[in-house]
This record gives sequence, structure tokens and C-alpha cells, in this order.
Amino acid sequence: ELKVEQNPLFLSMQEGKNYTIYCNYSTTSDRLYWYRQDPGKSLESLFVLLSNGAVKQEGRLMASLDTKARLSTLHITAAVHDLSATYFCAVVTAGNQFYFGTGTSLTVIP
Amino acid sequence: DSGVTQTPKHLITATGQRVTLRCSPRSGDLSVYWYQQSLDQGLQFLIQYYNGEERAKGNILERFSAQQFPDLHSELNLSSLELGDSALYFCASSVAKGGGGYGYTFGSGTRLTVV
Repeated sequence: ELKVEQNPLFLSMQEGKNYTIYCNYSTTSDRLYWYRQDPGKSLESLFVLLSNGAVKQEGRLMASLDTKARLSTLHITAAVHDLSATYFCAVVTAGNQFYFGTGTSLTVIP
Repeated sequence: DSGVTQTPKHLITATGQRVTLRCSPRSGDLSVYWYQQSLDQGLQFLIQYYNGEERAKGNILERFSAQQFPDLHSELNLSSLELGDSALYFCASSVAKGGGGYGYTFGSGTRLTVV
């Protein structure tokens, strides 16, 4: 079974700092998604990465995909409080099934 | 509003009971997926339907069943409920069988509490 691991699981960072969340997966996949979830709320799609070397940026968030290393990163630049949420990566298998990572709970401290 | 509608938003019921959760996918989406989210298990894929037919099954218990109707809405039936079934149940939809280039669109979820 495909395993999707994120680290760290919990991240507390100060406003203005940079940090990276990592998503490792155990089998071949050429599609990866990042989602954001606020407490008690639904999941909101952030990025879709469809090929090796893909990089997407939106505001202070940038996601990248390395299919050879089976690794995706979500980089946060100059964090602000509004970015506090849980971030999930999701990997799609050849059978078109989504497998979600464990989630990274991010808290940005003023 | 994501376009995926789930009802009810909250449900409190007793152990041993049966409940039905409902999901209307986004207009034009043919695939519906059900997920269970609990603190200890994370996001667990339960089942997927595409255009009325079951397409993939995940970690769905035998006490749970689902179906997708001709109008594409879906229902998740949970029976003989146990305390451990308390969780957030999400429905998601997509155009393609596997999410395609746009991934899933999630509903706001149904919070089920079994007492």
C-alpha cells in the first residue's frame, strides 16, 4: 500500500520566518496535490503538481515536485498568522486513487 | 462555497443506530468520493463512485455502505454505530475518474458524534 509521510507533523513558527514542509511517498506517482484545512473546516485545494520538476507559487507558498526522489515540498516564505492551518499533500496512484499524507499542523506565532 | 453540498452538517446519535449522510457533487462532476477524518486515523479513503457505479473501495467497514443515484448525488449509510465511528465525514467530487488535473473539490463535511 502506498505510504505518504509528511514532516514535520507539527510546526510552530514565528511571523516573518521561512520554513519547508516535506511530503515523501513510497511508490511511483506523477501527480501530487496540496490542500489546506482550517480547524473544523473543509479541505481547500492549493496546488496541483503534474510533472517532475513542477513548481507552483501562490502568495507566500511555493510547492515543488521531484518524482524521482518521490518528494514534494511546500515552502513558506515570511510566514503570517493567516497561514496557520493544517496542510495535506495527496498522491495519486496509477489506479487514480488519492492517498493523503498525515498532515502538518502549522501555527504562526506573532 | 465549493459547490459540493453535504447534509447534515452535524449529527448526534446513539450507539447501535443507523444514519445516512448525503452529498451532492459539484455541477458537472461525475465522481464522488467519501472520506473519514478522525484524530487518530487521519484522512481515510472510504469509497468512490463514478457515474453511478462503484469504482474504488478503501478502508470501508462492512457496516458502512454507499450508493450514487442517477442524479449523481450520493449517500453514505453507517449502521450499528460505535463510539469509534465518531468523525468528520467528507465527500469530494471531481470531473474525471481520478481527479484529473484539478484534483478533488471537498464539501464542508458532516460531523458525526456517536454517544
